[in-house]
Amino acid sequence: SQQGEEDPQALSIQEGENATMNCSYKTSINNLQWYRQNSGRGLVHLILIRSNEREKHSGRLRVTLDTSKKSSSLLITASRAADTASYFCATADNNAGNMLTFGGGTRLMVKP
Amino acid sequence: GAGVSQSPSNKVTEKGKDVELRCDPISGHTALYWYRQSLGQGLEFLIYFQGNSAPDKSGLPSDRFSAERTGGSVSTLTIQRTQQEDSAVYLCASSVPSGRSPYGEQFFGPGTRLTVL
Repeated sequence: SQQGEEDPQALSIQEGENATMNCSYKTSINNLQWYRQNSGRGLVHLILIRSNEREKHSGRLRVTLDTSKKSSSLLITASRAADTASYFCATADNNAGNMLTFGGGTRLMVKP
Repeated sequence: GAGVSQSPSNKVTEKGKDVELRCDPISGHTALYWYRQSLGQGLEFLIYFQGNSAPDKSGLPSDRFSAERTGGSVSTLTIQRTQQEDSAVYLCASSVPSGRSPYGEQFFGPGTRLTVL
């Protein structure tokens, strides 16, 4: 079953605009991670935010975590056509053993 | 250094046949995971290996699915008597448990696209 649910499911923006993707989850988590996937193949880890952190930055990426609302957001600033991909959040659940639970993903298209 | 590799990259088989999918994790990574991804969907956890511990098989969808990890390195996922609904991309990932938690970053292979006719 999917814990993380991304919103929106699809997003289309122009190059240079910011893209915001949201993720909601249901249980107590150890950390939340964001991954990127090109063309339905392997996923690439982008950023990990621990449950005691509220915000984290990495280059053009900004991730927030609100454990009271059980939600996270991924912001990509100054988007580029090369950012076109699917983005997944994944939660490490304190009570679900050793696996990550992935959401359904947001398909981002950045138009040049 | 080399990342996670998987073989074959594509596999087409007939319904009822058995298939074996291989994963070579990053050297030194003690944790290995198998996931399945259907078209346009998220990832479905299948099985997890950590060192010499008993694997977590809680995600395997049926007894037709099995996996082993030899020598704490290479893993093989076997699907017996394949069905059309087994068609998906099978992804392998490895990680190094961070501190007391195994919930660190996972490094994914390129996946095996399985098509069952």
